[in-house]
Amino acid sequence: AIQLTQSPSSLSASVGDRVTITCRASQGISSALAWYQQKPGKAPKLLIYDASSLESGVPSRFSGSGSGTDFTLTISSLQPEDFATYYCQQFNSYPPLTFGGGTKVEIK
Amino acid sequence: QVQLVQSGAEVKKPGASVKVSCKASGYTFTSYYMHWVRQAPGQGLEWMGIINPSGGSTSYAQKFQGRVTMTRDTSTSTVYMELSSLRSEDTAVYYCARGAPFYSSTFDYWGQGTLVTVSS
Repeated sequence: AIQLTQSPSSLSASVGDRVTITCRASQGISSALAWYQQKPGKAPKLLIYDASSLESGVPSRFSGSGSGTDFTLTISSLQPEDFATYYCQQFNSYPPLTFGGGTKVEIK
Repeated sequence: QVQLVQSGAEVKKPGASVKVSCKASGYTFTSYYMHWVRQAPGQGLEWMGIINPSGGSTSYAQKFQGRVTMTRDTSTSTVYMELSSLRSEDTAVYYCARGAPFYSSTFDYWGQGTLVTVSS
């Protein structure tokens, strides 16, 4: 199974900060990567698919990049509603589909 | 609008089985794959498997092979996930999630989650 390693596992940031989260795959996955946002007690929400394509309705301050084994999710200007946990997910090879361990974005 | 509505919370004893339902509405049920993903308390997301509501074919994560069964009822637009031989480590929130239109192995709509607690 393809393993995804996210870093950092948590971070503290202020409103307006630029935030970058990385996701590294254990083998090349082309651009078959998605990013999700999850708030406490809620289901995850799709933000980015195909590494860099923004899901409909997602604010443009979210962006994704990368291919192969290294990927990033960037929030250009952190807003109060962005404090959440973020997960990457690969869909290049399955079963199984796999997720990263998550990155919790907290208020500084 | 697309909605996935799951059945309510369950409490089960070790060794028992649980069957969680997910009723879809707002789209053509047979046109989109459905996945099941679980999340243990305070932990990350874990993919369990996929069902094609059109023909009923399934694919499961090896970890759950032999213990999980996914089925569907096209007459009610409902998918089911049954997990048997429950153990305490199966305590988790179970989500159904629709496969997205062009990338069916990503998840564009999710159910609200069903908490399954396994405890003696």
